[in-house]
Amino acid sequence: QQQVKQSPQSLIVQKGGISIINCAYENTAFDYFPWYQQFPGKGPALLIAIRPDVSEKKEGRFTISFNKSAKQFSLHIMDSQPGDSATYFCAARYNNNDMRFGAGTRLTVKP
Amino acid sequence: DAGVIQSPRHEVTEMGQEVTLRCKPISGHNSLFWYRQTMMRGLELLIYFNNNVPIDDSGMPEDRFSAKMPNASFSTLKIQPSEPRDSAVYFCASTTRATQGAGTEAFFGQGTRLTVV
Repeated sequence: QQQVKQSPQSLIVQKGGISIINCAYENTAFDYFPWYQQFPGKGPALLIAIRPDVSEKKEGRFTISFNKSAKQFSLHIMDSQPGDSATYFCAARYNNNDMRFGAGTRLTVKP
Repeated sequence: DAGVIQSPRHEVTEMGQEVTLRCKPISGHNSLFWYRQTMMRGLELLIYFNNNVPIDDSGMPEDRFSAKMPNASFSTLKIQPSEPRDSAVYFCASTTRATQGAGTEAFFGQGTRLTVV
């Protein structure tokens, strides 16, 4: 059922560094690609999202890069901070509401 | 709005017992999703409803799992009989129905941590 493949499974970055998480998909019917951030004991919360007609979207320190031909998209966190330590999920939506998630990446930012 | 409300937050039950998880979506949202999260398999979609109607239940692992949405403000996920391998965090999420290509944020509840011993 894993229609969205996410890597790496875990990531350790030094404070101030760049965190990069990658996702790939197969279903070309996906039309919306959000990233969710989840802190321990909480539900996932929307972080940033992109549509396939855009190659890049930036919000503060968070950037999504989208490569439609390669069916890949990635999340870049610039100037990573310890407060960014969380699990990140990429997702893809099709059929207007069916949302499929990647397996998640546990990010640890060391001070 | 209080957001998506799930109950209970934690559930510990013995193998073979029936477990019922509850969800109240955000008022006005017409799509509701049940997800299961484990370390091994990540976040898996179990079933989702549009306007109280089940649309896709292909993620429901076995006949032991069933979900209902009797009205727009309430849904249940039932496991009967429960097994230790059902131990996971179960999330409910709700969203408004999206138009093609438009963004839709899925709002998640806090989850129910189920432990079957």
